[in-house]
Amino acid sequence: EVQLVQSGAEVKKPGESLKISCKASGYSFTSYWIGWVRQMPGKGLEWVAIIYPGDSDSRSSPSFQGQVTISADRSISTAYLQWSSLRASDTAMYYCARYSGDYGFDSWGQGTLVTVSS
Amino acid sequence: EKVMTQSPASLSVSPGERATLSCRASQSVSSNLAWYQQKPGQAPRLLMYGASIRATGIPARFSGSGSGTEFTLTISSLQSEDFAVYYCQQYNSWPLTFGGGTKVEIK
Repeated sequence: EVQLVQSGAEVKKPGESLKISCKASGYSFTSYWIGWVRQMPGKGLEWVAIIYPGDSDSRSSPSFQGQVTISADRSISTAYLQWSSLRASDTAMYYCARYSGDYGFDSWGQGTLVTVSS
Repeated sequence: EKVMTQSPASLSVSPGERATLSCRASQSVSSNLAWYQQKPGQAPRLLMYGASIRATGIPARFSGSGSGTEFTLTISSLQSEDFAVYYCQQYNSWPLTFGGGTKVEIK
């Protein structure tokens, strides 16, 4: 069974850094892309970034370029999304999801709520 | 960037009735279109991919159609568990893009 387990909720101040994680199991981690999707409070889904752990190839949405960094550690089947300087506007639920060019996002994590407030 | 536009934004339907949701792409995405269902407090769930193929475990009352720029998700007879928000998403090219969602509410 494919499982994506995300790290817990975070409360941070503006300007702080943060790294959230997504641990995959039940499939070959290096054979699928894994992406991050943002959902601001009461809003829709927005694709943030994606990485292929097999060769570390990555892509990001123009809306998020330069704002976040995506990475993956093949040795522990874990993907990450990080910020170097958070803003209040980064407050949102962040989902990781497994991606295939044939199916879209076919398995999702439970979400990590990030709250940025002074 | 391919912009995905969903209509209507919300839809009130009685249980047992049919619901038809639309998704339009600003440029052709071929059949590389997925639909997701999201219930309050839950992560999204893949419903359809390839525009018309049901994902594993999705009931037959859900069907999808279309290709190119016009797509439809139909729920033939709404059950109580189907009241949710539905999103379309194109995976034809980067950047991946989602529609704004259609909320299906109980009438």
